Amino acid sequence: AQKVTQAQTEISVVEKEDVTLDCVYETRDTTYYLFWYKQPPSGELVFLIRRNSFDEQNEISGRYSWNFQKSTSSFNFTITASQVVDSAVYFCALIRTGTASKLTFGTGTRLQVTL
Amino acid sequence: DAGITQSPRHKVTETGTPVTLRCHQTENHRYMYWYRQDPGHGLRLIHYSYGVKDTDKGEVSDGYSVSRSKTEDFLLTLESATSSQTSVYFCAISESSGLGEKLLFGSGTQLSVL
Repeated sequence: AQKVTQAQTEISVVEKEDVTLDCVYETRDTTYYLFWYKQPPSGELVFLIRRNSFDEQNEISGRYSWNFQKSTSSFNFTITASQVVDSAVYFCALIRTGTASKLTFGTGTRLQVTL
Repeated sequence: DAGITQSPRHKVTETGTPVTLRCHQTENHRYMYWYRQDPGHGLRLIHYSYGVKDTDKGEVSDGYSVSRSKTEDFLLTLESATSSQTSVYFCAISESSGLGEKLLFGSGTQLSVL
């Protein structure tokens, strides 16, 4: 069975602070993909990143960065210099490769960025 | 734009009535999915389809049925709606590229069962 845990239910930061959203996963598979999605107040789900289990390189995209550590089964997401527009619910998810892309989601972390 | 349209966007219905939600895609993707989103649960898979007339159950399929008679349309039916099925329903497609697969979601349907 697969499981994704996002222990932080809600996080509040002041604009320009850095913030890290934690994601811990469980799987018996050796090949899998990890994802992060953003759900802004408007409700849509926006794809942010996909990471293959064979690729442990960290990735940076503008103010966003992701730290994938297989040894601790974690795929954490950091927003640098947060902005009010970053306020959203963020979901971490896991796909077992070869299973019709059936995503297992975490319960989400609500990020509130205030001025 | 993934070309995914969900209808209706909002629906209020009464317990015991049948409800059908529609997902329409314009890009000929093979795999389509229905998820529900509830507080404290994230998103959970209801049913998915891997081709016309090919469907399978997800983790929370009880009380739901699906049909896919055309590649572009994936219907979710609540045969007799219950209050526990009040939720936000998302349709998704699987998009493949050289970098692997990712799920892209529709805008969601807010369903309230009174």
